[in-house]
Amino acid sequence: AQTVTQSQPEMSVQEAETVTLSCTYDTSESDYYLFWYKQPPSRQMILVIRQEAYKQQNATENRFSVNFQKAAKSFSLKISDSQLGDAAMYFCAYRVTGTASKLTFGTGTRLQVTL
Amino acid sequence: KAGVTQTPRYLIKTRGQQVTLSCSPISGHRSVSWYQQTPGQGLQFLFEYFSETQRNKGNFPGRFSGRQFSNSRSEMNVSTLELGDSALYLCASSQQGQVQETQYFGPGTRLLVL
Repeated sequence: AQTVTQSQPEMSVQEAETVTLSCTYDTSESDYYLFWYKQPPSRQMILVIRQEAYKQQNATENRFSVNFQKAAKSFSLKISDSQLGDAAMYFCAYRVTGTASKLTFGTGTRLQVTL
Repeated sequence: KAGVTQTPRYLIKTRGQQVTLSCSPISGHRSVSWYQQTPGQGLQFLFEYFSETQRNKGNFPGRFSGRQFSNSRSEMNVSTLELGDSALYLCASSQQGQVQETQYFGPGTRLLVL
């Protein structure tokens, strides 16, 4: 079965500090894409960052970066200089070529940002 | 461009009733996917429509169905509602539904079944 595991149900970080959210996945496919989505209290799912599995270089988007370890099937999200607006549920997800439209999600990590 | 819109935003129904939810994708997007989000099961893929045809389907009973119109707008229908159908229903659109594309999500429809 194809699965995504987020082992941290909740995380907390102080404003301006750095936090890393963990994600591991299991797929036998060779062509796939990995994503981190953010879901604030409004419930709107917002794409944070994406990573193509065939690329060795880790993706970065401003304060957000990933540590992609393909052999270990690990895809962690690092948030630098955390801001109050970063507080949300964060979901790790992937898509494979065979069922391209289907995102398989993890269970999410709730991130709290404190002053 | 306007984002993905979903109507209605909130809905209350009773067991045994049926419900229809609507999703309008971003202009130019032809792929629409539906997801169910519940505290117990998390986010689960329901189905995807592309060019008015169901292209992918998740593991849900036949009470869950959908369709897509020629303007790419999509509806999903749930018949004979059960308490467990209470959830946030999210739709997402992308241009062609290809693996490299980003799916953009709507704000969701929150369904409560009493």
